[in-house]
This record gives sequence, structure tokens and C-alpha cells, in this order.
Amino acid sequence: DAGVIQSPRHEVTEMGQEVTLRCKPISGHNSLFWYRQTMMRGLELLIYFNNNVPIDDSGMPEDRFSAKMPNASFSTLKIQPSEPRDSAVYFCASTQGGALYNEQFFGPGTRLTVL
Amino acid sequence: ELKVEQNPLFLSMQEGKNYTIYCNYSTTSDRLYWYRQDPGKSLESLFVLLSNGAVKQEGRLMASLDTKARLSTLHITAAVHDLSATYFCAVGGANAGNMLTFGGGTRLMVKP
Repeated sequence: DAGVIQSPRHEVTEMGQEVTLRCKPISGHNSLFWYRQTMMRGLELLIYFNNNVPIDDSGMPEDRFSAKMPNASFSTLKIQPSEPRDSAVYFCASTQGGALYNEQFFGPGTRLTVL
Repeated sequence: ELKVEQNPLFLSMQEGKNYTIYCNYSTTSDRLYWYRQDPGKSLESLFVLLSNGAVKQEGRLMASLDTKARLSTLHITAAVHDLSATYFCAVGGANAGNMLTFGGGTRLMVKP
């Protein structure tokens, strides 16, 4: 299996622009997570999907952030408009929900820089 | 609310020495995970601990879980430079579904 796939790996944009991050979970996994990692705040859970349905989005910072999971093999995290404080590494992770244990497998991350 | 605390946050040690990283959590859980993150890389799963008294070992790393004390330890034996990384513990809450709560991480630097 190719593991969790994220694109792009790096994104540099200017303040005010729309940014879309993409994630393909491991085939057969039915839970997907978006995390953000910064030096200041560490690893933060933004949103969690189970069977394509958002279960907990309490970590989404504000209305500028939105996430969708239209099917079991694809999710997007959108920031509109982007701001410099959104600069971070964004990770997507997936797990086989309902298994005996729910080890999360992380993608390589997208490093976002907002100028 | 489940809280997970790791200590120390930063650890600098000499090669060949032993040390332990601690992970405390605030509420009942039967699932604890250890991850490793190299600089600029993603998180990689190291150990899965599912029951009280569970012990897992891989090379110079050994993880254990005491659910009664709500404590997990990651013990490093005879450290080598290649172990330099940030180590995270993550805990699954009793009613949290598939969610995990991560500790703040321990940045380990092993000096030659």
C-alpha cells in the first residue's frame, strides 16, 4: 500500500489567496484526520471524519477553514482567505476505524507558507 | 477532557547512556501509542500498547504502559545518534471514538 498521500508537499502563497490541501487515505481506512503542526502550538487536531462524515471539527480555527470528504478515498482542507499565521505543516492521517486498535498512519504533510 | 503530558520536553544525552521519557494522561484509557518524528518528516508509529502491563521493545527502545497510574514510559538503552528525533505519545480516550490526544513531544538529541 502506498500509505497516506498528500498534495502538494509544499505550497507558498500570498495572503488572501485560497489554498486547497488534498489527502488520499489508506485504502480500507474509514477514519481520516487533519492536523496542523507549528513550533508554537505543537500538533493540533483540526477535524476528524468517520465514514466520510465530519465527527469533530472543534479544532478548526475559524470560518476561513473548511474540510470536505466527498468519498472514502479523498479529502480536502481549504483555507480562504489565507493569512500568514496559517503557515504550518498540515498532516493528514487515517485509521481503520472499528479495529481492535486505532493506530493512525500519517501522510508526509504539506508545508504551507503564507507570505 | 483528556490531557496528555510528556516530560521532559527536551533531552540532550550522550551516546551510550540510558534515559526514560514519561507520558502521563488524565483519564481512563486502554490505548496508548508512541510515534517518532524526524526533523522535517512525518510521524511514524513505533509502539501500540493496549493493556495494563503491556511492554513492547524494538532495538534500543522499550515502551511500557501502566493504566492504573495512567503512565507510559519510553526507555532508551545505550542511546545512539540515530535515535535523535522527537517522540510523541498519543492516547485514545474511552469515549473518543478513533480520536487520539497527543502529548507535546519530547525532542531527543543524542550527542556522539
